Amino acid sequence: ETGVTQSPTHLIKTRGQQVTLRCSSQSGHNTVSWYQQALGQGPQFIFQYYREEENGRGNFPPRFSGLQFPNYSSELNVNALELDDSALYLCALGGQGNNEQFFGPGTRLTVL
Amino acid sequence: GQSLEQPSEVTAVEGAIVQINCTYQTSGFYGLSWYQQHDGGAPTFLSYNGLDGLEETGRFSSFLSRSDSYGYLLLQELQMKDSASYFCAVRDLYGRGYNKLIFGAGTRLAVHP
Repeated sequence: ETGVTQSPTHLIKTRGQQVTLRCSSQSGHNTVSWYQQALGQGPQFIFQYYREEENGRGNFPPRFSGLQFPNYSSELNVNALELDDSALYLCALGGQGNNEQFFGPGTRLTVL
Repeated sequence: GQSLEQPSEVTAVEGAIVQINCTYQTSGFYGLSWYQQHDGGAPTFLSYNGLDGLEETGRFSSFLSRSDSYGYLLLQELQMKDSASYFCAVRDLYGRGYNKLIFGAGTRLAVHP
C-alpha cells in the first residue's frame, strides 16, 4: 500500500469531451508526476508538479494540463479527448531528490 | 530518441531463478530503476542502481553497467505471486532538480508450478 489514491477508478467519455482525474495522499510529498500507460506498454511521463508549479513536461500536447494544490493533491485535465487518450493514468508521488516514486492505482479512461 | 529494450515475455517455474535484461539509450541518465506491476495494480518500486554494480534486496537483485548501457533484474526462488510485469526505467535528472522516469515496455513474467 503506497497510500496514494486516485479517482475515479474507471471513466468512459466520448471524443471531444473533457475529463478531470484526481490524485491524493495522506503523506506530505511535494512532488507529483502524471503518467499515461497504454495497454501493454510502460508508463509515459506527462508532466510533474513541484510546490504547485509545473516542473517539467513530456511529449504531450497542451490539452493535457494539471494542477497541484497546497495540500499536495493534484488534478490532471485533458481537453478535446481523442480515441488514443484511452489508457491508464497514473499519478506518482516523490521523485524530487529520491529514487523511489509511489504510484497510485490509476484511473482507467476509455474514450469512445 | 530515447529507448529501453527488454524482453516482452519470460516463463519460469516455481523455485527457479530468472534474469530480465534491459538495455537503454537515453539523452540523460541518472540511474536505473525496476518496478513491478500486477494486472490491474499500481507499479511498485523494487530496486534502484545509481552506480555500477549489484544491489541486493531479499530475493531480488539488480545490476547496472553504465559503460554498456545495460542492467538486469534477477529474481531468485520464484514464487507464484511473482507473476507480473516488470519494468526497467531510466531516471533522468534535469531542469530545476526534478527527475522523470522513462519506462521500457515491460516484461511479462509467468511463473508456473
